[in-house]
Order: sequence, then structure tokens, then C-alpha cells
Amino acid sequence: GESVGLHLPTLSVQEGDNSIINCAYSNSASDYFIWYKQESGKGPQFIIDIRSNMDKRQGQRVTVLLNKTVKHLSLQIAATQPGDSAVYFCAETAFNNMRFGAGTRLTVKP
Amino acid sequence: EPEVTQTPSHQVTQMGQEVILRCVPISNHLYFYWYRQILGQKVEFLVSFYNNEISEKSEIFDDQFSVERPDGSNFTLKIRSTKLEDSAMYFCASSEARLAGGGWVFGPGTRLTVL
Repeated sequence: GESVGLHLPTLSVQEGDNSIINCAYSNSASDYFIWYKQESGKGPQFIIDIRSNMDKRQGQRVTVLLNKTVKHLSLQIAATQPGDSAVYFCAETAFNNMRFGAGTRLTVKP
Repeated sequence: EPEVTQTPSHQVTQMGQEVILRCVPISNHLYFYWYRQILGQKVEFLVSFYNNEISEKSEIFDDQFSVERPDGSNFTLKIRSTKLEDSAMYFCASSEARLAGGGWVFGPGTRLTVL
């Protein structure tokens, strides 16, 4: 069936480096793709989204890239900080629900 | 900044008991959702609710589950006869529009432990 999934379950980076978190999706009918950050014991926190008719969107220190040809979504975090350590989920909205991928745990080493 | 709130933060119950998880969505939001997250796993969709009725539900949302908006502010999830495998974090979310990617706001979750 349709699904949203992650390439890598864990990612470890040095403070100050750039991080790239990847996601593969299979539902071509999705309208939005979203990245969420989840810290331990908390609910998902919105980071950035991109509409399906775009291929790039930038926020503060974050960039989301959407490649519809290969159904790939990525989140780039510039100058990664210790506070960025968390689990990152990609998600897609289609019809009337949002489906999440499996998550990638980002660890930032000082 | 408006928040979605959930109570209780942690609920412990015996298998077979009924539980009600409560959520207060953001006041001007029209769409409401419940998700669950089993420890260490991804966040799973349970149900969406709009205009006082269920608009979509997943295969997880069986006859043991029900949702209700009993008044103008609360949105509840009831599990009639809890099972061990219902132990999870349950997240409520709300949105102003159906397809607003960044407009979904999640609550902090209720941790349900079924013994």
C-alpha cells in the first residue's frame, strides 16, 4: 500500500555541520509534505512544509527539497546545533489525514 | 501562541477498562485528529473529525474506539475495553483547514499504560 518511509533510522553530526535527513514516499496524490521534530516526551513540532507543486522551500536554517520524479523528500539543517537533537519525521497529507514516516534520530555531537 | 492541550498527561489502567482521553483543540480550528505512537515507532493516524462527524479513520480505529466533541471546546477519544497493545502515546491535533500542511498543531500527548 501507500507509505511514507525513511532511508536512515539514525544520523550523527558534529555541531556546526549541516545535516541532511531523507525520506521516501509513494503516494503521488499527496498535497503537502511536512517535516516534524519530536523531542523526547513531546508531541510532533512543525518545522517546515512544502506543497506538492514546489520543489524547494527555505526557512530559518532549514530547507526542504521535494523530488517528485523519484518521490524523495529531504530536510537540510544548516549549522546544526545541540538543540536540533531529536527525532525527525516526514509526513504527507492526502485526502483527510496525515501519514508519518518512521523517523530519523538526529544526534548532534559537541 | 495557541496550543492544543491534552489531559491527563499519563493514564494507567487495567486491561478491559474504559479510558477517555481529553483534548482541547485550538479554538478557531475546525478539523480534529487523533494519532497514536507506540514506543519507538512512528506516529500512526487513527481518526479525523469534522463538522461533528468522523471524516476518515484508519484500520486501527475499530469498534473499541470512539470520538466525541461533547461541547464547544473538548474533543475526546474513548477506548471501551483497553488491551495491552493499546499502550502508547496518544496525540490530538487540530487544524484550521483540511490540507494546510503547516497548520496542523499537535498536543503534548497522553501516555496510556495498560496493565
